[in-house]
Amino acid sequence: GQSLEQPSEVTAVEGAIVQMNCTYQTSGFYGLSWYQQHDGGAPTFLSYNALDGLEETGRFSSFLSRSDSYGYLLLQELQMKDSASYFCALGGYQKVTFGTGTKLQVIP
Amino acid sequence: DADVTQTPRNRITKTGKRIMLECSQTKGHDRMYWYRQDPGLGLRLIYYSFDVKDINKGEISDGYSVSRQAQAKFSLSLESAIPNQTALYFCASQEAGGSGANVLTFGAGSRLTVL
Repeated sequence: GQSLEQPSEVTAVEGAIVQMNCTYQTSGFYGLSWYQQHDGGAPTFLSYNALDGLEETGRFSSFLSRSDSYGYLLLQELQMKDSASYFCALGGYQKVTFGTGTKLQVIP
Repeated sequence: DADVTQTPRNRITKTGKRIMLECSQTKGHDRMYWYRQDPGLGLRLIYYSFDVKDINKGEISDGYSVSRQAQAKFSLSLESAIPNQTALYFCASQEAGGSGANVLTFGAGSRLTVL
């Protein structure tokens, strides 16, 4: 089976940098994805890592270490609109399994 | 129009009733999913379908059934609803290959309350 662990909540200051971690267990690895979900909204795709290293998309970066079964999402220059839940997910082109999510609160 | 459309958006029903949640997508994707979201539990996979003739159980399929009527349509049924099926349900679609194969596109969600 597959399982993912994420801290439940994180608070960070507007303009700062925040890192949200994800550890996972899986028998077969097909990539680690990240999704953002605002309250009352649908999850939206942020990034995907198939190989070790850092993927950057604007203010968002995602890192993967397959040997450590670990990844993180890094948000820079935090804005109030970044307050949301962030989910890591195992899969990709296989079935996609989600973690329980980290709720990010950005404060002024 | 949304790429993935779910109906109804909200539904209140009583214990024992049969409920169907419908999902349609206009992206031409082969793969479709149903997830359930409960506070603090993230998104849990109920069923997924990689094409019209391929349907698979997810981690929490008990009490649910699905039908893939066409490439674009994937419906979720609760044959006899119970209160602990009260949740927010999401449908999603996914390409079978290519650069978009790693991306799930979600519908807006269907909020179901079972009294």
